[in-house]
Amino acid sequence: EAGVTQFPSHSVIEKGQTVTLRCDPISGHDNLYWYRRVMGKEIKFLLHFVKESKQDESGMPNNRFLAERTGGTYSTLKVQPAELEDSGVYFCASSQAGIWGETQYFGPGTRLLVL
Amino acid sequence: AQSVAQPEDQVNVAEGNPLTVKCTYSVSGNPYLFWYVQYPNRGLQFLLKYITGDNLVKGSYGFEAEFNKSQTSFHLKKPSALVSDSALYFCAVRDGYGGSQGNLIFGKGTKLSVKP
Repeated sequence: EAGVTQFPSHSVIEKGQTVTLRCDPISGHDNLYWYRRVMGKEIKFLLHFVKESKQDESGMPNNRFLAERTGGTYSTLKVQPAELEDSGVYFCASSQAGIWGETQYFGPGTRLLVL
Repeated sequence: AQSVAQPEDQVNVAEGNPLTVKCTYSVSGNPYLFWYVQYPNRGLQFLLKYITGDNLVKGSYGFEAEFNKSQTSFHLKKPSALVSDSALYFCAVRDGYGGSQGNLIFGKGTKLSVKP
């Protein structure tokens, strides 16, 4: 069974540019989460999809971040325009639905550097 | 507010010795607790979790963790460390209170260094 995959693995962009990150969850997982780790700090929750619906987006830092999950499959996270403080590692995780203590399985992350 | 504390930024252990990576938590309801490991240039790998039941939880690669409700702790342990255990370890909690959201709250991470 394939795990959670993320693309690209690394991205270096200039301030003001746009970047789109993609996450493909484990097949059959309805829950999809985005997290971010800024250098040396905690991994912070960004948002949670259940199928194609946003269940919780309380962690999104501002309106420069836009997440979508088309058809309840893969998800994209767009940052537009990117700022220096957006640099960090963006993780995606997925889990099965309907299981209260379900395990979230993480992807390898996308390392974003904004110059 | 929910929170997780990993009081040690780094833990150094000699190969073959037992290791402990500490974690304490704060939640409103019953905690769901997780340990993840991140090897260099890799993603987070699930190690083990506590949901309910036996306080001693066994996980991957010979790791185990003990849930202690009175001390609100969930320390990660291994009886005999390997050099290959060197990595970054994250403790995470999810509040099991009914109606809570599904996201995990993470600690800052503890770097484990096992020397031969």
